[in-house]
Amino acid sequence: QVQLVQSGAEVKKPGASVKVSCKASGYTFTSYGISWVRQAPGQGLEWMGWISAYNGNTNYAQKLQGRVTMTTDTSTSTAYMELRSLRSDDTAVYYCARVGPDLTIFGVVIIRGFDYWGQGTLVTVSS
Amino acid sequence: QSALTQPASVSGSPGQSITISCTGTSSDVGGYNYVSWYQQHPGKAPKLMIYDVSNRPSGVSNRFSGSKSGNTASLTISGLQAEDEADYYCSSYTSSSRGVFGTGTKVTVL
Repeated sequence: QVQLVQSGAEVKKPGASVKVSCKASGYTFTSYGISWVRQAPGQGLEWMGWISAYNGNTNYAQKLQGRVTMTTDTSTSTAYMELRSLRSDDTAVYYCARVGPDLTIFGVVIIRGFDYWGQGTLVTVSS
Repeated sequence: QSALTQPASVSGSPGQSITISCTGTSSDVGGYNYVSWYQQHPGKAPKLMIYDVSNRPSGVSNRFSGSKSGNTASLTISGLQAEDEADYYCSSYTSSSRGVFGTGTKVTVL
C-alpha cells in the first residue's frame, strides 16, 4: 500500500532553516511528483510547490520563491522540503502529498489531484 | 495566485444534499479540467474525494460528486451523514503549472 511517512516535529528560531523529509513506499517513486502543502493553525491549506521525482524539475509558489527548496533522493525514495529564513508566520503543519493520478507533459507535473498524503510535520517558529 | 473562493460554511440535515461551490478564474478552474476536492477531519491529513472535476478515487462513496461550469466548480454530497461533517477544500491546476487551494468550507450536519 502507498505510504508517505514524514519526519518529526521541529522547533526553530526566527531566521533559521528547517528541512522536512517524506519517505515514500508502496509505489514506483520516480513515476509521480510530490507536492508540499502547509496549514497554519486554524487556517486553510496552502500549496507550496511540486517536484518531479523523475527528473528533479520543480515549481514553487511565487510567495515562497527564494526561500524554499524541494529535492528528492531516488535511492531512498525520499522527498525533502527545506524552508529558510523562517518567520513566525511559517508556523504550520507541513504535508507532503503524492501528485496523482500521474500526468507529466514535457517534464511538467500536471496536478490532477493529491492522492496520498503524509501524516504531517508540525514546524513551530518561535524565539 | 489568489486562493479559490469557497463559502465559509454549509450545513444540512441527515439525508439531505448539500453543494459547495469553488470559484476561480479562467487561469485555473475555468481553464482546465483538473479540479480536485479534499475532506479534512480535525487533526487529520486531507483525503482526496474527487479529481479531474468529477472522478472519484476507488473507495470514495458515490454520495460525493463533482461538476464544473465556467470558472466555478461544485462538490455535492447527497444523503448527508454525520461522518461527512468536516472541512472541505477544492484545488485547481493553474496556467503557471502550479496548484492553488480554495479557502475551505466547514460542513455541519445538523
